[in-house]
Amino acid sequence: KQEVTQIPAALSVPEGENLVLNCSFTDSAIYNLQWFRQDPGKGLTSLLLIQSSQREQTSGRLNASLDKSSGRSTLYIAASQPGDSATYLCGSNYKLTFGKGTLLTVNP
Amino acid sequence: NAGVTQTPKFRILKIGQSMTLQCTQDMNHNYMYWYRQDPGMGLKLIYYSVGAGITDKGEVPNGYNVSRSTTEDFPLRLELAAPSQTSVYFCASSGGGSGSYEQYFGPGTRLTVT
Repeated sequence: KQEVTQIPAALSVPEGENLVLNCSFTDSAIYNLQWFRQDPGKGLTSLLLIQSSQREQTSGRLNASLDKSSGRSTLYIAASQPGDSATYLCGSNYKLTFGKGTLLTVNP
Repeated sequence: NAGVTQTPKFRILKIGQSMTLQCTQDMNHNYMYWYRQDPGMGLKLIYYSVGAGITDKGEVPNGYNVSRSTTEDFPLRLELAAPSQTSVYFCASSGGGSGSYEQYFGPGTRLTVT
């Protein structure tokens, strides 16, 4: 059974800092890894999808990497802004197994 | 396109009552999913469907039922509501097949059972 862990559970940084969010999974036989952002009281917004044949995906200030052999994915956020404050979730495979998320706060 | 829509947004049920959570997508996606999110927890899969007429259980299906008579709609039925079903329910869809597993989520239904 796939298990997904996200570390840290919460992260507070000053505006402008580059940061990395971590996602670990137990079963390396994954189809894909998807990163989401969730604002309070809202649904999930897809940020990036990495397929099993890919190593990374980029969208604007976001870069997500996937290392199947080590069971890890990272989400890199460059030049963080207060508007990036949200909970970030990762999920694996087409029937998504989710981590509990990382609550990110970017302070002005 | 509206994407994935869910109704109602909020609902309060008494123990033992039943209700149906509605979910519709207009992206012609084959795959649809229901998740629940409890406070401080990640999302857990309740049921999913890979096409009209085909449904299967996820990780936490007890107390729920689904049907998929059309590509667009995937209602979730709660029978005999219990306090443990107090949660936020999210519907999602994806195209399915190679390269199309990116999931799109609805805004959620916040359900309280008292």
